[in-house]
Amino acid sequence: KAGVTQTPRYLIKTRGQQVTLSCSPISGHRSVSWYQQTPGQGLQFLFEYFSETQRNKGNFPGRFSGRQFSNSRSEMNVSTLELGDSALYLCASREAPPNEKLFFGSGTQLSVL
Amino acid sequence: KQEVTQIPAALSVPEGENLVLNCSFTDSAIYNLQWFRQDPGKGLTSLLLIQSSQREQTSGRLNASLDKSSGRSTLYIAASQPGDSATYLCAVSGTGNQFYFGTGTSLTVIP
Repeated sequence: KAGVTQTPRYLIKTRGQQVTLSCSPISGHRSVSWYQQTPGQGLQFLFEYFSETQRNKGNFPGRFSGRQFSNSRSEMNVSTLELGDSALYLCASREAPPNEKLFFGSGTQLSVL
Repeated sequence: KQEVTQIPAALSVPEGENLVLNCSFTDSAIYNLQWFRQDPGKGLTSLLLIQSSQREQTSGRLNASLDKSSGRSTLYIAASQPGDSATYLCAVSGTGNQFYFGTGTSLTVIP
């Protein structure tokens, strides 16, 4: 079974641009969540999608948005990039109950110049 | 809101030593607890998951325990190896389906 796939692996953007990151969950997993990881803040929850609906949302500005498609693949978009958006963005898919184990992708390293 | 704390933030041990990593959480109404390891610049790899009804889980040299009433979990690593060097994170899930992560313990195993 293929793991969680995130593309691209690395991105370099400049301030003011926008970016779209992609995540393909493990086959059969309907929940996809996104996290931002920085050295200073640790792992911070962005949002979770389940069956194309946003189920949970973290405390991030509206510049961060996401969506999920009918095949459970998910995209995350960041508009009007700021220097502080430089981070490792991680996607996770979740097993169905009862375990609900989280599986992570390798992440997208975003650098904003 | 659930708060997850991991102590110590960093740990350095000689190869072959047994060690314990700690994770504490403020709200005992959890659904499960998961331990992960993360290598620099990489994603998180799941190590062990303990459901709220369980007390411990074992995988190879790893043993994780859960004491919900006291809000604590430990990850025991036996006979540590240099390849165990990584950051170890714990995460708890509860009401609202959200996972809450600790800030991790950075482990260095010295050959």
